[in-house]
Amino acid sequence: EAGVTQFPSHSVIEKGQTVTLRCDPISGHDNLYWYRRVMGKEIKFLLHFVKESKQDESGMPNNRFLAERTGGTYSTLKVQPAELEDSGVYFCASYRGSGNTIYFGEGSWLTVV
Amino acid sequence: TQLLEQSPQFLSIQEGENLTVYCNSSSVFSSLQWYRQEPGEGPVLLVTVVTGGEVKKLKRLTFQFGDARKDSSLHITAAQPGDTGLYLCAGPFNAGNMLTFGGGTRLMVKP
Repeated sequence: EAGVTQFPSHSVIEKGQTVTLRCDPISGHDNLYWYRRVMGKEIKFLLHFVKESKQDESGMPNNRFLAERTGGTYSTLKVQPAELEDSGVYFCASYRGSGNTIYFGEGSWLTVV
Repeated sequence: TQLLEQSPQFLSIQEGENLTVYCNSSSVFSSLQWYRQEPGEGPVLLVTVVTGGEVKKLKRLTFQFGDARKDSSLHITAAQPGDTGLYLCAGPFNAGNMLTFGGGTRLMVKP
């Protein structure tokens, strides 16, 4: 069974540019989460999808961040325009539900210069 | 202020030594999870503790959940270089199973 895959693994962009991160969850996992870890801080929750619906987006830092999960399969997280403080690693995780294990992807490292 | 405080933040020991890392909170958690993260990888779940006072063992790793379900510890016996990594504790903070993480303990085991 393939794990959670994320793309790109690393991205370096200039302040003001746009970046789109993609996450492919494990097949059959309805729950998809985005987390991020910025330098020196703990991993923090961004949002939660159940299938194609946003269940909770309370962790999204501001309106420069837009997440979608069209068709309830893969998800994208777009940052537009990117700011320096957006640098960090963005993790995607998927979960079947009901006491099963949450699986994390390897993360997408974003550097905004 | 972090909801989950982990200590120590960094730990460097020699192979064969024992160690304990801690995860503390002022809040009660229904469960706590321990993850290990290696460079370039995402966190990988090691164990979930659910019952206050529960002890779980995973080979040389022993996990304990505090009686009041506000803290947890991870004890490693006879550490090996392969134990090197970032150890994270996390707990759910609402019904959607979203996790709040501690800052992590970065462990280095020298041969």
